[in-house]
This record gives sequence, C-alpha cells and structure tokens, in this order.
Amino acid sequence: DAEITQSPRHKITETGRQVTLACHQTWNHNNMFWYRQDLGHGLRLIHYSYGVQDTNKGEVSDGYSVSRSNTEDLPLTLESAASSQTSVYFCASSESAAGLNTGELFFGEGSRLTVL
Amino acid sequence: ILNVEQSPQSLHVQEGDSTNFTCSFPSSNFYALHWYRWETAKSPEALFVMTLNGDEKKKGRISATLNTKEGYSYLYIKGSQPEDSATYLCAFSSGGYQKVTFGTGTKLQVIP
Repeated sequence: DAEITQSPRHKITETGRQVTLACHQTWNHNNMFWYRQDLGHGLRLIHYSYGVQDTNKGEVSDGYSVSRSNTEDLPLTLESAASSQTSVYFCASSESAAGLNTGELFFGEGSRLTVL
Repeated sequence: ILNVEQSPQSLHVQEGDSTNFTCSFPSSNFYALHWYRWETAKSPEALFVMTLNGDEKKKGRISATLNTKEGYSYLYIKGSQPEDSATYLCAFSSGGYQKVTFGTGTKLQVIP
C-alpha cells in the first residue's frame, strides 16, 4: 500500500544545531507540503513543492528550507534550530492533475521536535 | 494570508446527540473546501473535499454542505458516538487546488 512516512518521529536538539526531518511518500504525488502544528494555530504551512526542483515558501518559512531532488522525498531542514521551532511537524502530499483531482491531502504521522 | 475560521473551538455532546460545526472562508477565488478528521496521536484524514456551490457530501453519519457565495460550510454528525471524538479541521484552497490553508479546528468530545 502507498504511504507517507516521516523520520525521526521524536527528536530533541539544542539551540543552534542544524536539524533535518525526512519525509518519504510512495503515492507518486507531485505535490508535497510541510506544516507545523502549534496550540491555538492549527496547521501552518512552512514550505511546499509542486514537483522535482520546485520549492515555495509558505506562511511561516523563516528559519526553514526544503529541497526536492526526486518525487518521493521532501526533507525539511532547520538551519539553526531555535526554541520557537519546538513543534510537531507534519508532511503531506497530494496528486497533481486537473479535472477530478480535488487536492485531498495525505498526511504522515508527524515528527515531534523539541529545541532546548 | 487567507483566513479560515471554525466554530465552536470545542464541543462536548452526549452520545446519541446530533451536532454541527461551522467553517467560514473567503468567498473570492474559491477552489475547494476540505474537511479532515484528526484523532489524538494520529494524523489528519480527509472526510470530504468539495468544490461546487451547493455541494452536499455524506459518509455514514457525517455529512457536509458548502456555500461558496457566502463563504461557509457546515459539518453535521448525526447520533454522535464516542469514536467520533476528534478534532475536525476545515481547510480551504483558492486559485488552484494545491495550496491548502487550515482553520484551527473544532475539538469534539462525545460523552458516553
């Protein structure tokens, strides 16, 4: 069965360290997204990609970067982790096509990051 | 930044009661309205994605309606069960299907 997996599921790091969260999907979806979930804010979009070599900033992109070298993976990098980036991070993907496609998102299980 | 608002923020109902939640969104340049169900310690799962004004969708005891002209959607749960306890997220996309903006959700607790 197709799926979307995130790793690590839990990570504790220190302020200033670089951290990379992995996202891998086997749906063969062109569109991939990273969201963060914080109390009172719901899911906020960090970065997204519509295909290989394409990346775009979302509403809370400062301090984060992504790269898309293949269809399956969209790793999220925190260049220099800050305590404000303590959060739960969700990766999602959706199909890319016109017509009947409505853009339903398929989510990974989330990665809980704590920055001390 | 598109503003998607959901109400109420949280809700407690007795088992067997019917309930509904509201999602409001900007009506300009509408593309699609999504509803997701999010259980604790799991990831969100899609319930419905609606694109046409007047759309009504149903899955078991859960149904949703859409009014794109006035910018709102309702989610209904008939005869609530404890397993319906979850956070229900509304999300909106405009100008295209790809980028989806979420509301903060309605947290439902069904009391046995």
